[in-house]
Amino acid sequence: ELVLTQSPGTLSLSPGESATLSCRASQSLTIDALGWYQQKPGQAPRLLIYGASTRAAGIPDRFSGSGSGTDFTLTISRLEPEDFAVYYCQRNGWFGPGTRVDIK
Amino acid sequence: QLHLQESGPGLVKPSETLSLTCTVSGGSIRSDGFYWTWVRQSPGRGLEWIGSISYTGETYYTSSLKSRVTLSIDTSENQLSLKVNSVTAADSSLYYCARLKTTVAGNFFDSWGQGTLVTV
Repeated sequence: ELVLTQSPGTLSLSPGESATLSCRASQSLTIDALGWYQQKPGQAPRLLIYGASTRAAGIPDRFSGSGSGTDFTLTISRLEPEDFAVYYCQRNGWFGPGTRVDIK
Repeated sequence: QLHLQESGPGLVKPSETLSLTCTVSGGSIRSDGFYWTWVRQSPGRGLEWIGSISYTGETYYTSSLKSRVTLSIDTSENQLSLKVNSVTAADSSLYYCARLKTTVAGNFFDSWGQGTLVTV
């Protein structure tokens, strides 16, 4: 069973700052098939990144993904007010517990 | 634009069967490279994949629910259905219908319904 661990649990930042979110897999991923999702209150998750680093359609370029093996990162440069949300990583049927990005 | 809409009872009694339907519009459910999926979310368990079904009826279930879950698909109505039997309070969740895209870069949920809350 794959376990995805996300850190930190909560990130408190100001608009304009950059956010770095981590996702660690319990097993090395032979294919960098990791996804990142954004979820706002009352909304379904939205796909941001797939294949660890490919932005989904319509996703702004301030969102970027990187990593391989067991360690992956989602970076949000220049946080906009609408970016404050919970972010999840995903591999096939497994999701991480999420990182909340709060306004400082 | 693809739209997924979940429907079904919001309240189910313990030991009974939870039944939900997802209606897909703006695209065909008969699409290669996609699996139609149920995911649930609760404060205690986060996002939990329940199972996926192709338009040909090929199914995959999470091991923890496999004995109680049945997915089915009706391509003529562009609908998929979820049944969970012998429910308990632990099955109370927000249930999402989603489309799982299968690619060489992995499998990703690229479209989601708005979710429907089920309380046991």
